[in-house]
Amino acid sequence: AQSVSQHNHHVILSEAASLELGCNYSYGGTVNLFWYVQYPGQHLQLLLKYFSGDPLVKGIKGFEAEFIKSKFSFNLRKPSVQWSDTAEYFCAVMGDSNYQLIWGAGTKLIIKP
Amino acid sequence: DAGVTQSPTHLIKTRGQQVTLRCSPKSGHDTVSWYQQALGQGPQFIFQYYEEEERQRGNFPDRFSGHQFPNYSSELNVNALLLGDSALYLCASSLGVGQPQHFGDGTRLSIL
Repeated sequence: AQSVSQHNHHVILSEAASLELGCNYSYGGTVNLFWYVQYPGQHLQLLLKYFSGDPLVKGIKGFEAEFIKSKFSFNLRKPSVQWSDTAEYFCAVMGDSNYQLIWGAGTKLIIKP
Repeated sequence: DAGVTQSPTHLIKTRGQQVTLRCSPKSGHDTVSWYQQALGQGPQFIFQYYEEEERQRGNFPDRFSGHQFPNYSSELNVNALLLGDSALYLCASSLGVGQPQHFGDGTRLSIL
C-alpha cells in the first residue's frame, strides 16, 4: 500500500536557520510529488511539485525540494527561514496510475523571531 | 478569480444523522476531490469526481457518497453519522489527472 512518512511532527527553528523537512514514500511505480503548506488560518497551498525532469525543484518563497528516487525521498529545504514561514507542511504523493493524493501526517514548523 | 469555496464552514450534528457538504471548484477546473482530515493527521482521500462520475474512491465506507453536477460543483453526503466522522472535510479541484489540486478552507464537522 502507498504511504508517506514525514520524519518530524514538530520543528522549532530560529530566524535565518536552515531548514530541511524529511519525506519518504512507499510506492512501486512512477510518482508525482508535492509539498503543500498551510499557514495559520489559511487553506492548503501548493509549495512545489515534481513530475519529471530535474530532480531539484524550486517552489515559492525560496523553498526547494530534491527527489532522490533511490531513497524514495522528497525532502524540503530552505537555506534561511523567516518568521513568516511558521506553518504546517505536508508532503503528498500521487502514483502515475492513481488519482488520489496520499499525504504525510504533516510537520508543524515554528520559527522563533 | 474565485478559488475553491466550501459550505458550510462549520456544522454540528448528532450520531445517526445525515449531512451534506458542498463545494464549488476553482474557475476552469473540472475535477473535484474530497478529503477527510482528522486532528493532527494529514488528509485522507475519500473520492474524486470527474464528468459527474466517481473516478476513484479511497478506503471509506458506503455511508460516504458524493455527486458532481454539470457545472462541476460537488456534494459530499455522509449517512448514519458516527462520532469518528468528526473531522475537517476538504474539497480540492484540479484541471486534469495528476495536476496540482487547489484546496478550499474546509468544513469542520462535529458529531455529538
